Amino acid sequence: QQQVKQSPQSLIVQKGGISIINCAYENTAFDYFPWYQQFPGKGPALLIAIRPDVSEKKEGRFTISFNKSAKQFSLHIMDSQPGDSATYFCAAGGSYIPTFGRGTSLIVHP
Amino acid sequence: ETGVTQTPRHLVMGMTNKKSLKCEQHLGHNAMYWYKQSAKKPLELMFVYSLEERVENNSVPSRFSPECPNSSHLFLHLHTLQPEDSALYLCASSQDPHGLNTEAFFGQGTRLTVV
Repeated sequence: QQQVKQSPQSLIVQKGGISIINCAYENTAFDYFPWYQQFPGKGPALLIAIRPDVSEKKEGRFTISFNKSAKQFSLHIMDSQPGDSATYFCAAGGSYIPTFGRGTSLIVHP
Repeated sequence: ETGVTQTPRHLVMGMTNKKSLKCEQHLGHNAMYWYKQSAKKPLELMFVYSLEERVENNSVPSRFSPECPNSSHLFLHLHTLQPEDSALYLCASSQDPHGLNTEAFFGQGTRLTVV
């Protein structure tokens, strides 16, 4: 049973565009929602995370939007750059061991 | 560097071989994890150790055998693997799997190929 559903599986964006990746979760006990970024040949690394007491968190060009009632959260990458090309994983955790989504392969064309 | 080191980075083994993957962290974390990453699949949690005791095992085949001799080291012993076990094996650590800070720090992984 997949507890965190992530979409799309792949995404192609032009440089300067907005990249949007969505995730939905099932377990209402989750209270920590991180996004990880993985480059080829590297392990995933934490990019940005949010807790359900806020609806939005922004760090530079990266923003998490969180909708508690819909049990959904999304990652927005503004002014996408070729260097952002990577695989992005959402996850959910807190009092539970983190559960990861399937990942989204993002390609940003120059 | 994330503070989590995995060796070897690449491993090719036959189906009758026995090998071990090693993971080391000096972040002072209490929990360590093994994940399997296959193409187009979610990260699959294999084992979790918290304070050196195994707390979760998601019914992983017995040909994978973990060992956690102390809070800084984690091993994954492999024997009689199948070609479908070829994948990237990631080690991770976190401060506490059931606490408020559950950020996972990942190693670079071991790319395993079973021939």
